[in-house]
Amino acid sequence: QQQVKQSPQSLIVQKGGISIINCAYENTAFDYFPWYQQFPGKGPALLIAIRPDVSEKKEGRFTISFNKSAKQFSLHIMDSQPGDSATYFCAASMWVGGGNKLTFGTGTQLKVEL
Amino acid sequence: SQTIHQWPATLVQPVGSPLSLECTVEGTSNPNLYWYRQAAGRGLQLLFYSVGIGQISSEVPQNLSASRPQDRQFILSSKKLLLSDSGFYLCAWSVGTSSREQYFGPGTRLTVT
Repeated sequence: QQQVKQSPQSLIVQKGGISIINCAYENTAFDYFPWYQQFPGKGPALLIAIRPDVSEKKEGRFTISFNKSAKQFSLHIMDSQPGDSATYFCAASMWVGGGNKLTFGTGTQLKVEL
Repeated sequence: SQTIHQWPATLVQPVGSPLSLECTVEGTSNPNLYWYRQAAGRGLQLLFYSVGIGQISSEVPQNLSASRPQDRQFILSSKKLLLSDSGFYLCAWSVGTSSREQYFGPGTRLTVT
């Protein structure tokens, strides 16, 4: 099963609040889990990524929490700002034939209100 | 630094017409290259990937094909477009076989009418 399930589909957070987006996967062959941020009309930008041997990774206001046994991972955006308003995609990847194949979630539209 | 280019940025084509989208990467050698399609309000679907010149792997049976005539050039083509081919096409690259990070280009918005 190659699917990656992402929730919620949309999220509204007040400025300064914490945004939390969750993802779940089924295939235990996935071994790299990136998050991407996408603004309208633009290509996705790599935000932060984690490997399954680590339970948490933090970069600035962005933190990934990873639960290998539950096959779940989440993105936390601390002190959310209006500039964080974008669509966020989780992904899971594995090496196949020399290529890094990414399977994406369906995305979460985040709106940070003043 | 590395830069990825895609053109055209937008394209409107009639059903049954051919398609050619181009992607080029600067500032790196022997990258892995990827084509994705993003339908409106959906996630990204991997279409093709290439680990070297002339080496193409197809992920989804479809009306499209890909070619890699040069090390840093990746082309997405179709002989006859279908309405269902409309979408946002994204090219991505990664550093050969040593890196997991994929970096995306600006995309091409294709509308088939």
